[in-house]
Amino acid sequence: GQQLNQSPQSMFIQEGEDVSMNCTSSSIFNTWLWYKQEPGEGPVLLIALYKAGELTSNGRLTAQFGITRKDSFLNISASIPSDVGIYFCAGRYTGTASKLTFGTGTRLQVTL
Amino acid sequence: GAGVSQSPSNKVTEKGKDVELRCDPISGHTALYWYRQSLGQGLEFLIYFQGNSAPDKSGLPSDRFSAERTGGSVSTLTIQRTQQEDSAVYLCASSLEVGGYTFGSGTRLTVV
Repeated sequence: GQQLNQSPQSMFIQEGEDVSMNCTSSSIFNTWLWYKQEPGEGPVLLIALYKAGELTSNGRLTAQFGITRKDSFLNISASIPSDVGIYFCAGRYTGTASKLTFGTGTRLQVTL
Repeated sequence: GAGVSQSPSNKVTEKGKDVELRCDPISGHTALYWYRQSLGQGLEFLIYFQGNSAPDKSGLPSDRFSAERTGGSVSTLTIQRTQQEDSAVYLCASSLEVGGYTFGSGTRLTVV
């Protein structure tokens, strides 16, 4: 099935550093979502975006819905060890009801 | 219940046997999804149920895979004549018409 282009594929950073990851699509989305998955668990929703240009924060996390409606980014500020996991973007194409398309994931490792 | 419940959490089966995986979605969620995740990989869409509409089966990898959703609630994913390449984590999610999915913790299937 279709997947979004998500980058980077993996990141190794030091505690305290800021992180940025993004997703792009060839089609226009009406919704962008960001999920985090920890080992042995299902993905958990972090941030949902519903309008082009929307910028939303959740603690140290900030995500934006791109103006073109074809991209989104997620920033994590001042990373901590518990930020470790796989981050997935997901989007909903206009006219596809509730079905989401997922990115390939960004694996984040945080070293002390 | 409060979340999406999947059972069993782990399943080891012999090659060639059939398996059934169960998903209890969040009460009131009209949409239910099955995804497959191989070790360290992204989310592979399998099948999607939305209300009383015909399911979107476009992601099922072969005719050995089938799923049903009874009474608009509980869903069962069945894999017949399992093969070693079927080994993966099978994730179920549910949602309202809009908004994000809520995932279960998954069933880890190992075919030996």
